[in-house]
Amino acid sequence: RKEVEQDPGPFNVPEGATVAFNCTYSNSASQSFFWYRQDCRKEPKLLMSVYSSGNEDGRFTAQLNRASQYISLLIRDSKLSDSATYLCVVITYSGNTPLVFGKGTRLSVIA
Amino acid sequence: GAVVSQHPSRVICKSGTSVKIECRSLDFQATTMFWYRQFPKQSLMLMATSNEGSKATYEQGVEKDKFLINHASLTLSTLTVTSAHPEDSSFYICSARPTGTGEVEQYFGPGTRLTVT
Repeated sequence: RKEVEQDPGPFNVPEGATVAFNCTYSNSASQSFFWYRQDCRKEPKLLMSVYSSGNEDGRFTAQLNRASQYISLLIRDSKLSDSATYLCVVITYSGNTPLVFGKGTRLSVIA
Repeated sequence: GAVVSQHPSRVICKSGTSVKIECRSLDFQATTMFWYRQFPKQSLMLMATSNEGSKATYEQGVEKDKFLINHASLTLSTLTVTSAHPEDSSFYICSARPTGTGEVEQYFGPGTRLTVT
């Protein structure tokens, strides 16, 4: 089983739609979770951290379910500018531990 | 926010030559930096963990003699692709985690696109 698995893409949605991505992780010792966004031919950029209590940033909501070992990202009122690849990232809490990336889910928001 | 730079952003070289890529943390110190490689339509793959003042730790399948890493200061790590071949053509991205701040996020450089002809 891969360390981090994401929904296979691509997701093609119309503007204004609500879209949700899920991601599962295999290491129960993982302690930090993030969603990164990567635009085509660019570096990943941190979108938001994910906490057990859930967190919301504008149109974006992230949830963590430790019991089931999955995290989710919900995007409401999709914009054309949301088109990108969304990367699920987990980390085991250690100073030298690298991020472990999922393969990413491609989102295309269509006018 | 924390800024990481990479140089060059794009390089084209001939097969058999070596290419050096620099990764700098501009406004923070980083004991540890990470080097990733990403092929088209593939996910980021960790190549190695670069540790200031000591040897890098390479992931399985990554040749340490081919991908030389030097982390000589708390703000600079270099990756040298030696005797490059066309199959080394890829997008190389570094990241760094600020030292001593308690942050767990990593900040990415803008990447270097290497094309070996």
